[in-house]
Amino acid sequence: EPEVTQTPSHQVTQMGQEVILRCVPISNHLYFYWYRQILGQKVEFLVSFYNNEISEKSEIFDDQFSVERPDGSNFTLKIRSTKLEDSAMYFCASKRDLSSNQPQHFGDGTRLSIL
Amino acid sequence: AQSVTQPDIHITVSEGASLELRCNYSYGATPYLFWYVQSPGQGLQLLLKYFSGDTLVQGIKGFEAEFKRSQSSFNLRKPSVHWSDAAEYFCAVDNQGGKLIFGQGTELSVKP
Repeated sequence: EPEVTQTPSHQVTQMGQEVILRCVPISNHLYFYWYRQILGQKVEFLVSFYNNEISEKSEIFDDQFSVERPDGSNFTLKIRSTKLEDSAMYFCASKRDLSSNQPQHFGDGTRLSIL
Repeated sequence: AQSVTQPDIHITVSEGASLELRCNYSYGATPYLFWYVQSPGQGLQLLLKYFSGDTLVQGIKGFEAEFKRSQSSFNLRKPSVHWSDAAEYFCAVDNQGGKLIFGQGTELSVKP
């Protein structure tokens, strides 16, 4: 069964540095998402992306964050100047379309540690 | 605003015992509801989903969930728990724009 893949599995970065988290969604999916999960907390929506633009974003997704689909397969989340509170697990998800019987498929996540 | 509440942060059950994990949602229209499971260090695996129709839905690994509109609930059940079911379980609602709103999660421990 096709799956969403995320790299790296663990990223350690100094505070203030830029980080790019990478995701390869399922190939025939059209909707892409980033979520984050701070340790011990619930999974929170960050952003959704469709047709090469952001569909919706949360208040967490401020100017330090950006997303891009640089080619036909990758979907990236960039944090421009990381802060300690950005330490979390980041999940990418994709969905074939918005019809009612399609769930989101999640990757295994990237654990981001900010030092 | 849409929200999901999982009242139980941590539940411990004995292996072979039955399980029910509670989920309540707040959503104006007919919700799309999901249960996901997360094993330590792993991603989120879809257990089951409800969109419409039969209010009792079957999922993988022997799990089922019942949608009760009158109670705004979507509780997850399993008749006999296995040690491998120990994990964190998340209930989520889709706002029909695709965004998932998750509950706080319930950590399940299984006693031998």
